[in-house]
Amino acid sequence: DAKTTQPNSMESNEEEPVHLPCNHSTISGTDYIHWYRQLPSQGPEYVIHGLTSNVNNRMASLAIAEDRKSSTLILHRATLRDAAVYYCILRAIIQGAQKLVFGQGTRLTINP
Amino acid sequence: DTGVSQDPRHKITKRGQNVTFRCDPISEHNRLYWYRQTLGQGPEFLTYFQNEAQLEKSRLLSDRFSAERPKGSFSTLEIQRTEQGDSAMYLCASRPGSANTGELFFGEGSRLTVL
Repeated sequence: DAKTTQPNSMESNEEEPVHLPCNHSTISGTDYIHWYRQLPSQGPEYVIHGLTSNVNNRMASLAIAEDRKSSTLILHRATLRDAAVYYCILRAIIQGAQKLVFGQGTRLTINP
Repeated sequence: DTGVSQDPRHKITKRGQNVTFRCDPISEHNRLYWYRQTLGQGPEFLTYFQNEAQLEKSRLLSDRFSAERPKGSFSTLEIQRTEQGDSAMYLCASRPGSANTGELFFGEGSRLTVL
């Protein structure tokens, strides 16, 4: 499984945008980029995913570099409820389990 | 609530005892996954079912661990002769087979403490 690299932790202020980076220099052409987050004492929760183009949904935006070797999850206006561990994961478009392989993620702290 | 349901949410047991966790996936999700998560780490894949067939198992799944999904609906994860190192959160996730978004829907987990 291709590997991702994320900062261990980041801190931001409430109501400000947050940019969470992820490096995936060994990404292959068949890998989707997924982001999940895990709030305290809960299971992981899907945030967003993309392949080549930037993506937006109600939770966040995903900006993918042109060479696909890095991506950034953007929370446009952070709230205290966005404090969580954010995981950047590559998922291959292949038959089989298509399991998600989690790293250690980025622990995001939001200051009031 | 139509999400993934796990039971029990918390289990405390003594070393050497057997424990069983149950997962009820979202209705009509034919893919089911078990993960284990220890403190400060990301979830680690344990095993995967497509309907009732167990198609992939991680090397983390020692012979003391067994998972079943007898009718392709709910699943159980049993740990025999528990050890202190088995203390972790056991997470279940499911997804429909038809969609290729890869989105996994996770339950809230079953936390195991082995004394």
